[in-house]
This record gives sequence, C-alpha cells and structure tokens, in this order.
Amino acid sequence: GENVEQHPSTLSVQEGDSAVIKCTYSDSASNYFPWYKQELGKRPQLIIDIRSNVGEKKDQRIAVTLNKTAKHFSLHITETQPEDSAVYFCAARPSGNTPLVFGKGTRLSVIA
Amino acid sequence: SAVISQKPSRDICQRGTSLTIQCQVDSQVTMMFWYRQQPGQSLTLIATANQGSEATYESGFVIDKFPISRPNLTFSTLTVSNMSPEDSSIYLCSAEQETQYFGPGTRLLVL
Repeated sequence: GENVEQHPSTLSVQEGDSAVIKCTYSDSASNYFPWYKQELGKRPQLIIDIRSNVGEKKDQRIAVTLNKTAKHFSLHITETQPEDSAVYFCAARPSGNTPLVFGKGTRLSVIA
Repeated sequence: SAVISQKPSRDICQRGTSLTIQCQVDSQVTMMFWYRQQPGQSLTLIATANQGSEATYESGFVIDKFPISRPNLTFSTLTVSNMSPEDSSIYLCSAEQETQYFGPGTRLLVL
C-alpha cells in the first residue's frame, strides 16, 4: 500500500522567513496530494492541494510543488507569520475512492 | 466544502464501558471515514464507513471493538467498545467531497 514520508518532523523559522516541508510517496498511482494545517486542539484544515496533472499550485503565501518522477511533493510558505505556527500534514490518495494516507506531520514554529 | 459535526466533543469513561460517537455531515457524501489521533501524532485510519454495507477496517482494527454504522449518506456512528485506558485518544470523523474534510473530533479519556 501507499506510504508517505514527511520531513522534517519539527521546523523553527524566524518570522518573515520561508518554510519548506517535504513529503515522498511510494505508490506511483497516487494522483491527489493535499496539505492540512492543524492548530492545537482543532481539526485538520485543508490549506492547499495538487493533482497529479499539475506541477505547481500557489495560493497567496502558500505553494505546493509536485515531482511525479521522483514521487515527492513539497509545501512552501513564504513570509511566515506567527499564526502559521501549527502542525502540517501531507497526504496522498492512491487512486479512486480510497482514503488519504497521511504523513507523520511537521510541527512548524514561527518565532517573532 | 462539507461541514461536519461530532457528538460528544469530549467524554471521560470508565474502563469496560462503551461510547458511541456520532458524526453528521451537512450534505450527502459518498465516503465517510473514522480516524484516531493520539496527542502529537498523525492520523490513523480506523475504517471506511460504507453506506448500506459493512465498514471496511484497517489492519489492527476490528468490528467487535469498533462497530460502525452508516444508515444514510449524511450520518455515521463509531462505537468504542469495552474500553481500556489505551483507547484514550481523539477520534475524528471525515467525509469526502472532492477532498476530505474533518469533524472537530471527540476527545476520549478512559480511566
């Protein structure tokens, strides 16, 4: 089955700097890759996603890139702010109507 | 996007008892899922709740321990049976509508 590896597990950046979180997946049939942000005590919230027919997608300060050949995708957050501090999860969907497989998460701390 | 609610939001239970968690979605969805999340950990899929048929369980989870109902396209329940302290966790309902959305979770403490 699909396996998703996520790095780093923790990341600290200064406010205003960029943050990059990377994930790799094992199943070449996976075709959908969302990213979730989970603040303490709250539910995971979808922040951006990308499908396998697209290489990059951007939404304001957040961007996701996908390299299908290498089977990895990354989340980029620019001009980080303290409210970006949270746990971020990447996920992959193997195919069709199957549940997402999640990475182990990255705890991002933005230091003011 | 689907709006998902869960009841109860939290509970404290005695070992050996059972708790049923309810999940309500504001629109009809094909797929519903139940996850468990230990503090500081990732999301572990318990099962896929199938409407009109038995749930599909992931390795390590069995129907006797985690019976699931899915009577229609907007509602599901998860029961945690014969609880032990190891069942203390956050249980999250999720629904598929182009992507997966999550309920607020049920925080369970078993004493």
